[in-house]
Amino acid sequence: QQQVKQSPQSLIVQKGGISIINCAYENTAFDYFPWYQQFPGKGPALLIAIRPDVSEKKEGRFTISFNKSAKQFSLHIMDSQPGDSATYFCAAPFTGTASKLTFGTGTRLQVTL
Amino acid sequence: SQTIHQWPATLVQPVGSPLSLECTVEGTSNPNLYWYRQAAGRGLQLLFYSVGIGQISSEVPQNLSASRPQDRQFILSSKKLLLSDSGFYLCAWSIGKGMRNEQFFGPGTRLTVL
Repeated sequence: QQQVKQSPQSLIVQKGGISIINCAYENTAFDYFPWYQQFPGKGPALLIAIRPDVSEKKEGRFTISFNKSAKQFSLHIMDSQPGDSATYFCAAPFTGTASKLTFGTGTRLQVTL
Repeated sequence: SQTIHQWPATLVQPVGSPLSLECTVEGTSNPNLYWYRQAAGRGLQLLFYSVGIGQISSEVPQNLSASRPQDRQFILSSKKLLLSDSGFYLCAWSIGKGMRNEQFFGPGTRLTVL
């Protein structure tokens, strides 16, 4: 089973700053890497995903950067807002199948005023 | 549009009691269905995976079982709960065919075993 290493475990950013969360995976034959956002007591919600025929995908203030040779991908949150305070999970497909995902351990983001 | 429901939202059960959690999906056919457990402050652990009615794959050895009696219904069960079964249980679905493997999660069930 795929292992996904996510860092940092927690992150405090001032309002307006840039939040950066990093993930590294081992192996996958399927190029699909999603990020999820989870608020306390709620289920994770799909935030943004990348299929690395491109090295970067941007949706509003959220950007995924992907480095296939290094087997790393990262989430950048520009102009971070207090409403972005949540736990973020990266994920990668199981080795050998596109239908199952392995999740990182999560990053708790706190955006301060 | 597709929606996913889980119930109950919260549950407190004594050790040794049975468990039944239900998940249903609306607005799609032949979905892949998943059960995850999330321990407090931890990541998501895949427990069960199903590609169709009666087809269940167990991902980790444990005290739980899953069933899929209908295309869009997924049930998580236990005959006797353990303290270690406490956690936040999440059901998810994805499109069953092709390479579109985004998973969409339900609201979760908070289970406390005392």
